[in-house]
Amino acid sequence: QKEVEQNSGPLSVPEGAIASLNCTYSDRGSQSFFWYRQYSGKSPELIMFIYSNGDKEDGRFTAQLNKASQYVSLLIRDSQPSDSATYLCAVRVDSWGKLQFGAGTQVVVTP
Amino acid sequence: SQTIHQWPATLVQPVGSPLSLECTVEGTSNPNLYWYRQAAGRGLQLLFYSVGIGQISSEVPQNLSASRPQDRQFILSSKKLLLSDSGFYLCAWSGQGANEQYFGPGTRLTVT
Repeated sequence: QKEVEQNSGPLSVPEGAIASLNCTYSDRGSQSFFWYRQYSGKSPELIMFIYSNGDKEDGRFTAQLNKASQYVSLLIRDSQPSDSATYLCAVRVDSWGKLQFGAGTQVVVTP
Repeated sequence: SQTIHQWPATLVQPVGSPLSLECTVEGTSNPNLYWYRQAAGRGLQLLFYSVGIGQISSEVPQNLSASRPQDRQFILSSKKLLLSDSGFYLCAWSGQGANEQYFGPGTRLTVT
């Protein structure tokens, strides 16, 4: 069973600070990694994807991938109350595009 | 641009009743389609995926089934619902050869 692990949280972050979320995965052959944001009662929204080692930045979000250590992380800079949500890490596990999801990390941004 | 629809948005059904949830995608052709379930406070569980019309793969043996009667239509069904079928049902799509999956708004099912 290919696994994706995340800390469940909640991760409490002061407004304006950096939120750091981590995700580890078990399948060393995985090549594609995704971060989804899910507000309470809503469906997941894709916010970042990364395929190569290193950093990828998009606005206030930075995804970091280290395949050797089998972890992927998400940084949220200048955190806002609207960033309060559950963040799901997902890893592509086969050639058909199937994703394995972590259980999610709840982020709470406090004013 | 692509749009994914799901209906109904919410559903309350008694145990033993049938189920039919529908998902349609607009603005793309021959998408990969996926059904997920998210139980309360739990992660996403892949139920079915389809890479083409009539091609369905099941991930979890259970009393649910899926069908894809048209290119951009994906249906999740059950003949007799169980209490354990309650949850948030999400349909997702991806382009052929693409990695990213995009989710529909979901259907919240409560089995009583």
